[in-house]
Amino acid sequence: EPEVTQTPSHQVTQMGQEVILRCVPISNHLYFYWYRQILGQKVEFLVSFYNNEISEKSEIFDDQFSVERPDGSNFTLKIRSTKLEDSAMYFCASTKTGNIGYTFGSGTRLTVV
Amino acid sequence: AQSVTQLDSQVPVFEEAPVELRCNYSSSVSVYLFWYVQYPNQGLQLLLKYLSGSTLVESINGFEAEFNKSQTSFHLRKPSVHISDTAEYFCAVSGNSGSARQLTFGSGTQLTVLP
Repeated sequence: EPEVTQTPSHQVTQMGQEVILRCVPISNHLYFYWYRQILGQKVEFLVSFYNNEISEKSEIFDDQFSVERPDGSNFTLKIRSTKLEDSAMYFCASTKTGNIGYTFGSGTRLTVV
Repeated sequence: AQSVTQLDSQVPVFEEAPVELRCNYSSSVSVYLFWYVQYPNQGLQLLLKYLSGSTLVESINGFEAEFNKSQTSFHLRKPSVHISDTAEYFCAVSGNSGSARQLTFGSGTQLTVLP
């Protein structure tokens, strides 16, 4: 069964550093998403991406965040200057048809120290 | 905008007992409804979904959920749980048209099946 692949599985970074989280969505999917889950809290929507541009973003997704699909297969989330409160599990997801049939990756646990 | 409420943060239950995990939602538009399961140190796996048609939907591992529009609920049930069902369960909702494509999750219910 096709999978969404996320790398790395764990990342530790110092506060103020830039971090890039990587995702390889399912190849024939058209919609891509990032969600995050702070420990003990809800899974929260960050951003959706379709047709090479952001289609929706949440209040969390401020100027410190950016997304890119650099080469037609990878989908990345960049945090420019990490803060302690960015520590969370970040999930990438993709769908073929929009808001149904999401496939989530296994997540990247980001720890900012 | 949508919101999801899962009233029970923890549900302990003995093996082979029935279980119900409650989910209520609010939305100003028509919705799709989902249950996701998260096993320890793993990602979110789709358990079942309601898109349209029959209000009772089933998963391959014995879970079922019923969409109740009048009560705005989508409770998850299983008549007999196994140890392996121990996991966190998330109810989620999305709008079914236009730009309402993001999933809104509840806070999750930790199901612990005891021997």
